[in-house]
Amino acid sequence: QKEVEQDPGPLSVPEGAIVSLNCTYSNSAFQYFMWYRQYSRKGPELLMYTYSSGNKEDGRFTAQVDKSSKYISLFIRDSQPSDSATYLCAMSGWSAGNMLTFGGGTRLMVKP
Amino acid sequence: DSGVTQTPKHLITATGQRVTLRCSPRSGDLSVYWYQQSLDQGLQFLIHYYNGEERAKGNILERFSAQQFPDLHSELNLSSLELGDSALYFCASSVAGGEQETQYFGPGTRLLVL
Repeated sequence: QKEVEQDPGPLSVPEGAIVSLNCTYSNSAFQYFMWYRQYSRKGPELLMYTYSSGNKEDGRFTAQVDKSSKYISLFIRDSQPSDSATYLCAMSGWSAGNMLTFGGGTRLMVKP
Repeated sequence: DSGVTQTPKHLITATGQRVTLRCSPRSGDLSVYWYQQSLDQGLQFLIHYYNGEERAKGNILERFSAQQFPDLHSELNLSSLELGDSALYFCASSVAGGEQETQYFGPGTRLLVL
């Protein structure tokens, strides 16, 4: 079983929809949680960064972390065709090593 | 643009060959990380260098090696290449290498082994 599980999708939604992306993880040492967006044939770019449990909002994006359930989410409001990409959750922690451990990525398609 | 540069963008080579991938971190960043992204394994950490010294190793094959030079650029050397080494190779950088730091990714090198 992988340390970080993520539904690969693809997830297809109409423009304007609310999108929910999720990851579960097994290593309780993870403390820092990130969401990266990756367009086709490009490098991952950081979208959201959260430390420990809680919510964080940035524009149309909201990240949630529930450490007790080992579950993280990314919500995208008013989704746009330009949001079509692969979304990767990633996490790290001191006792888990400084490297990022990624989920497999969810491919999102927002249709106009 | 993350500020991390990687060359070359694309590389096509044959099995058994050796290639070198190059990465320049963002200005001021001392840490460089290498990741491999393949369809079946996803994005996996290979190795981390901080200010010229190896800090951590992940799922890196013995045929692969890396180094970070005094000017902080890094090279990933892949030898005795196999078909399964075909993948996207990303370099990322961060300021110092702490687990809480944001890692900024380069555009990647796409390697195709024929």
